[in-house]
Amino acid sequence: RKEVEQDPGPFNVPEGATVAFNCTYSNSASQSFFWYRQDCRKEPKLLMSVYSSGNEDGRFTAQLNRASQYISLLIRDSKLSDSATYLCVVITKAAGNKLTFGGGTRVLVKP
Amino acid sequence: DGGITQSPKYLFRKEGQNVTLSCEQNLNHDAMYWYRQDPGQGLRLIYYSQIVNDFQKGDIAEGYSVSREKKESFPLTVTSAQKNPTAFYLCASSILPPNTGELFFGEGSRLTVL
Repeated sequence: RKEVEQDPGPFNVPEGATVAFNCTYSNSASQSFFWYRQDCRKEPKLLMSVYSSGNEDGRFTAQLNRASQYISLLIRDSKLSDSATYLCVVITKAAGNKLTFGGGTRVLVKP
Repeated sequence: DGGITQSPKYLFRKEGQNVTLSCEQNLNHDAMYWYRQDPGQGLRLIYYSQIVNDFQKGDIAEGYSVSREKKESFPLTVTSAQKNPTAFYLCASSILPPNTGELFFGEGSRLTVL
């Protein structure tokens, strides 16, 4: 089993709709979680951290479910510019602060 | 402006040749990383370094070598021993420990083996 897994998609989303997807992690000792965005043929960039209580940043909502060992990202009112690959990142302090990337979920927002 | 600079952006190599990818940062970050990304895939860690003159293998270090002689520089050599070197290579840096989760990436180097 991979340490961090994501549904590769693509998730085809009508403009203005809501889309949500998850990222599961296998190490229960993992303690920090993040979402990155990667545009086609570009470098990844940090989108947002994921806090235990859940957090929002504009149209984006991130949540953490420690019991089931997954994080989620929800995008409301999708824009064409939201089309990208979303990568989750998990940091495990017990493994020397190892950062592990998921394989990414591709989102395509269509008019 | 602070950031990470990778070069070259595009590189073509003949089979059997070694090639070195440059990565320089002026963010004063202690940690630097090299990742490989294949089409439609996530990032896989090749090597990382937390201090000058020290580095550790990542998940796919075979066929690669690195050096960290200066804090600012972390070059990656793709050797002829790497069986499938065609990929997108990303260099990144971060503070230590990386609790903020923020890696600063270069724009990447796209290597094609002919």
